Amino acid sequence: EVQLVQSGAEVKKPGESLEISCKGSGYSFTNYWIGWVRQKPGKGLEWMGLMYPADSDTRYSPSFQGQVTISADKSIITAYLQWSSLKASDTAMYYCVRQGAGGYFDYWGQGTLVTVSS
Amino acid sequence: DIQMTQSPSTLSASVGDRVTITCRASQSIPSWLAWYQQKPGKAPKLLIYKTSTLQSGVPSRFSGSGSETEFTLTISSLQPDDFATYYCQHYSSNSLWTFGQGTKVEIK
Repeated sequence: EVQLVQSGAEVKKPGESLEISCKGSGYSFTNYWIGWVRQKPGKGLEWMGLMYPADSDTRYSPSFQGQVTISADKSIITAYLQWSSLKASDTAMYYCVRQGAGGYFDYWGQGTLVTVSS
Repeated sequence: DIQMTQSPSTLSASVGDRVTITCRASQSIPSWLAWYQQKPGKAPKLLIYKTSTLQSGVPSRFSGSGSETEFTLTISSLQPDDFATYYCQHYSSNSLWTFGQGTKVEIK
């Protein structure tokens, strides 16, 4: 059974750094694109970026390029989303996603709520 | 960049109704169009991909169609479990994934 299990909720202050994680299991982790989707409170879905773990090829949405870093550790089948300096506007739910064969996201993690507040 | 616009933003319907949600692209796109369902407090769930292919386990009352700039998601007979928000999503060949803004299906 394919599963994407994300790390728990985080409460941070503006300017702090953060890394959230997503462990993929039940499939060949290195052979599927894995990435992140943001959802601000009461708002729609925004694609942030994807990585292909086999070769670390990474694609970012222009809206998120330079704002976050996506990485993966194949040895522990885990993907990461990292911020170096959080802003209040980063407060959102973040979903880990696996991309299927045709550009669609066939599996989703349960979500990680990130709250940034002074 | 291609923009995806859904209509309506909110839809009020009754159990048993036939419901249609439209997703329009700002320019002609190949059939890389997917639909997702999201219930409050839950992660989205893939319903349909490649415009009309039903994801495994999704009830057959859901269907997708369309081409070029206009795509639709149809629920043939709305069930209580279907009240949710629906999103379309396009994948472009230059590695950009774009979601529509969502359509909330409410109880009438």
